Amino acid sequence: DQQVKQNSPSLSVQEGRISILNCDYTNSMFDYFLWYKKYPAEGPTFLISISSIKDKNEDGRFTVFLNKSAKHLSLHIVPSQPGDSAVYFCAASNNYGGSQGNLIFGKGTKLSVKP
Amino acid sequence: DAGITQSPRYKITETGRQVTLMCHQTWSHSYMFWYRQDLGHGLRLIYYSAAADITDKGEVSDGYVVSRSKTENFPLTLESATRSQTSVYFCATYPGQGAENQPQHFGDGTRLSIL
Repeated sequence: DQQVKQNSPSLSVQEGRISILNCDYTNSMFDYFLWYKKYPAEGPTFLISISSIKDKNEDGRFTVFLNKSAKHLSLHIVPSQPGDSAVYFCAASNNYGGSQGNLIFGKGTKLSVKP
Repeated sequence: DAGITQSPRYKITETGRQVTLMCHQTWSHSYMFWYRQDLGHGLRLIYYSAAADITDKGEVSDGYVVSRSKTENFPLTLESATRSQTSVYFCATYPGQGAENQPQHFGDGTRLSIL
């Protein structure tokens, strides 16, 4: 029973265009959502996050949108660059429900940005 | 600033052997975690620790043992390795109480092959 789902295993976009990575969750108790980026042979690195009290958070080229009613979040990368090619993991936690810090991860989406 | 150090980075062993993966952090974060990453499964939690001498099971804890006698170290032991434990293992830390809505930080991983 997957609580965090990334239904697209892979995504290919052209350099300079927008990349949109999607994530759905089932647990309405989740109150904090994160995106991690992972290059081969390295650990996941934190990219951007959003609290459930917000519906958008922006950091440079990266924007995360949260739709609580649909239990859906998305990561937008504009403009996409070849260096963005990596696996992106969506994660969620219930910080105020006794499991502080524990993250539930999706299976990841492999993004390829073509020059 | 080393942050999180995992050792070894690569390990090959045989079924039935005991193997220990090391994780060391220099941040004095309260929480430490062990995950495994497998194709088609994303990152799955094995064990976590909220403080020294406090550990708890995650989603896939069978066959693994952890200890945390010091805040900075969180070794993961496979007491009798099986082929199904071939995976990439990641250690992560989290600051703890008072640091809600903070990300976990990951090490670079240990690639373990069991023949």
